[in-house]
Amino acid sequence: EVQLVESGGGLVQPGGSLRLSCAASGFTVTSRYMSWVRQVPGKGLEWVSVIYGSGGTFHADSLKGRFTMSRDIYKNTVSLQMNNLRADDTAVYYCARGRAAGRDGIDCWGQGTLVTVSS
Amino acid sequence: DIQMTQSPSTLSAFVGDRVTITCRASQSINDWLAWYQQKPGKAPKLVVYKASNLESGVPSRFSGSGSGTQFTLTITSLQPEDFATYYCQQYSTYSGTFGQGTKVEI
Repeated sequence: EVQLVESGGGLVQPGGSLRLSCAASGFTVTSRYMSWVRQVPGKGLEWVSVIYGSGGTFHADSLKGRFTMSRDIYKNTVSLQMNNLRADDTAVYYCARGRAAGRDGIDCWGQGTLVTVSS
Repeated sequence: DIQMTQSPSTLSAFVGDRVTITCRASQSINDWLAWYQQKPGKAPKLVVYKASNLESGVPSRFSGSGSGTQFTLTITSLQPEDFATYYCQQYSTYSGTFGQGTKVEI
């Protein structure tokens, strides 16, 4: 069964760092592209980052280099390192899998992990 | 960046109605477009990919069309379980921009 399980969310102070992890099962993270998508409670979806099957990574320009997505092919996980967090980074962060290794829709989502940035 | 604009933001309908949601891209994305359904407290679910391809397991009352900059998601004979928020997403570029969402309510 294909499954994505996020971990690492929680409460962090402004300016702090947090690392989210996503454990994949039922497929290998090199066979599909993987993304992080966030959603402020009650608001819309916002694309955060992607890592393609080839290993290439891209992040939303609005993040100004604060977030970095990576993967561990041995642990079959992807991660999102978030630095210099701000209040407007507060959101549910979803780990997601693409239908293919390259460009395609997202066919599997994790349950989401809540990140709250507050003092 | 490519901007995605959905309309309407909210749509009120009855069970059995035919509803259409529109998504417009700020520049051509060919057919690199997906539609998702999201219910409260749940992760989104893929409905349509590559503009007009129905994801496996999605009822045939859902259909997608369009190319370039104009796209539509149509639900014929709306069912109670279809009341949800729908998002379009372009994946023509590496940044998979989402539309702002359309809430389909009773």
